[in-house]
Formats: sequence, structure tokens, C-alpha cells
Amino acid sequence: GNSVTQMEGPVTLSEEAFLTINCTYTATGYPSLFWYVQYPGEGLQLLLKATKADDKGSNKGFEATYRKETTSFHLEKGSVQVSDSAVYFCARLNAGGTSYGKLTFGQGTILTVHP
Amino acid sequence: GAGVSQSPRYKVAKRGQDVALRCDPISGHVSLFWYQQALGQGPEFLTYFQNEAQLDKSGLPSDRFFAERPEGSVSTLKIQRTQQEDSAVYLCASSLQIRGGRNTEAFFGQGTRLTVV
Repeated sequence: GNSVTQMEGPVTLSEEAFLTINCTYTATGYPSLFWYVQYPGEGLQLLLKATKADDKGSNKGFEATYRKETTSFHLEKGSVQVSDSAVYFCARLNAGGTSYGKLTFGQGTILTVHP
Repeated sequence: GAGVSQSPRYKVAKRGQDVALRCDPISGHVSLFWYQQALGQGPEFLTYFQNEAQLDKSGLPSDRFFAERPEGSVSTLKIQRTQQEDSAVYLCASSLQIRGGRNTEAFFGQGTRLTVV
């Protein structure tokens, strides 16, 4: 079936460090891929997305490239800030049938950035 | 409204009690989804509405779970005879449906945290 696997957390970094959070998906069809972020006490927010192979999504200094050959969508940021501390979820959009728009999420990765 | 609104934000229920969780989607959004997020896990799909039609309820964990959206706007997720394993955050999301039946970005509410004691 459709699934998404994220790297195990939590991840703890110092400010200005480089961030990578790995995400892989099952290669069923041609899903759209997303990263959502959940800040403490807030709801899920879309961070970035990519809809086809080799697309790069970017927002707020975060980037992720849709890699069909490795079925991956790793999240990266060159220099993290304390305000980036949150839980990050990778997700795929299941296309087709009556569930068009249904998202399948990874288990989430907790990121803590220290000053 | 400006965003997806869910109420209550927090609900404590005694085991065996019935609960009802409300979702007000963004005005004009055709598609509405319910997800369940257990502690430390990612959200898991429960059910999907297109307007008032419930097109997919494959994620509902048991027949104690029931969802409705009678007028194609506000939706209610009802859980009967709550059990401790029902404790989770219940998220609602809505999105526009554009040409060809594709859904645009899903906007999530802040969720209802249900604790069954």
C-alpha cells in the first residue's frame, strides 16, 4: 500500500547547523509529496510541496527535491534557527479513486534547535 | 471563516461516554477530511467528504465512530462508548476541489485533543 517512512527522531541541533530529515515513500503511482510542520500548540501547516519527479519545493529556507529514482523527499535547511523547533511530517497525496486528496503521513520528526 | 475551526480544543471523557467533535471548514471548501493523531505518531486518515457525501470511511477504526456533514459544510465526528485507545488528537482538514476533481492544498484545524479516562 501507500506509505511514508521518516528518519527516527528526535533531532537536536545548534543554531546555524545544517538540517536533513530523511523521508522515503512507496512507489505506487505518481504521488505529490509534502512536508508539513507543527509548531508547539498549533495545527499542521504546509511547509512545502512537489508534484512531480525532480521538482524542488522550497519555503522559509527549507528545501526538498522529489527523487523518483530513490523514492525520496528529504528535507534540508542550510542554517536552522531556534524558531524552527517543531515537529516535521512528510506526507504523500494518494491520487485517484474516491479518496483523491487523502494524505498518508510519516510518523513525524521532532526538531529542537538550541541557541 | 479565516481558517478551519475545531471545537472543543480539549475534551476529557469517561470511558463509555459518547463524544461529538465539530469541524467548521473554510467557507467554500468542497472536500473535508478527518484524521486521528495518536501521541508521537503522524496523522492517520479516518474519513473523507465531498460536499455532504461521505465517499471514503475506510479509516474509521470501528463502528463506534461515525461522521456526518449533512449540509456540506460543518462536520461532526461522533465516537460512541469511548475507550481509552480512542485518546488522540482528532484533526480536520478542508480543501478546494478544482477542475478535474483534483484537490488543492489541505488546510488543517488545530485539532481536538480527546482524553478518555
